[in-house]
Amino acid sequence: DAKTTQPPSMDCAEGRAANLPCNHSTISGNEYVYWYRQIHSQGPQYIIHGLKNNETNEMASLIITEDRKSSTLILPHATLRDTAVYYCIVSVTSYDKVIFGPGTSLSVIP
Amino acid sequence: EAGVTQFPSHSVIEKGQTVTLRCDPISGHDNLYWYRRVMGKEIKFLLHFVKESKQDESGMPNNRFLAERTGGTYSTLKVQPAELEDSGVYFCASQGVGYAEQYFGPGTRLTVT
Repeated sequence: DAKTTQPPSMDCAEGRAANLPCNHSTISGNEYVYWYRQIHSQGPQYIIHGLKNNETNEMASLIITEDRKSSTLILPHATLRDTAVYYCIVSVTSYDKVIFGPGTSLSVIP
Repeated sequence: EAGVTQFPSHSVIEKGQTVTLRCDPISGHDNLYWYRRVMGKEIKFLLHFVKESKQDESGMPNNRFLAERTGGTYSTLKVQPAELEDSGVYFCASQGVGYAEQYFGPGTRLTVT
């Protein structure tokens, strides 16, 4: 079972920042936070991951709270192509199965 | 660099028939995973290969499913005999040593009628 909780759906205006929250209150000290997304009819796509520091790449930023019990994925300038289901996952190691929950369905509105 | 490829993209078979799905991982990726999403459900893990060895097959639903990865390159997932509840989208993912992320293929949509 997934060890994270996410809101089932969110809307975001095109061009604005999309902030997707995730709760992982039972996360262990050695577990990473991963984010993947699935655009309709495509395979899941890796976005970003982190342990305790905030991370940024060309796709998004990941903000992890100091107690590591929650995190926020930030898409700085959402486009229509960012409409997808976003999954927050915790995992001990990199080489492990991804346990997908229901995720958050993000709709970017023109 | 080519991504993960899966074949076929869509397969329609009758209950009781056999179907074989194929996954070609990214070249050099030792780790290969199979997942599936059945209608209305979440994506579920099926199994994990490291090279040609099965590292974790805890998600395989029953003995009608057989996965192989001969030579540690491409993998096949055979369903024999197929049942109606096997309908869904089957995803393959690969991961290289030193890479944190899994790269997913586009999936094979299996419809059992």
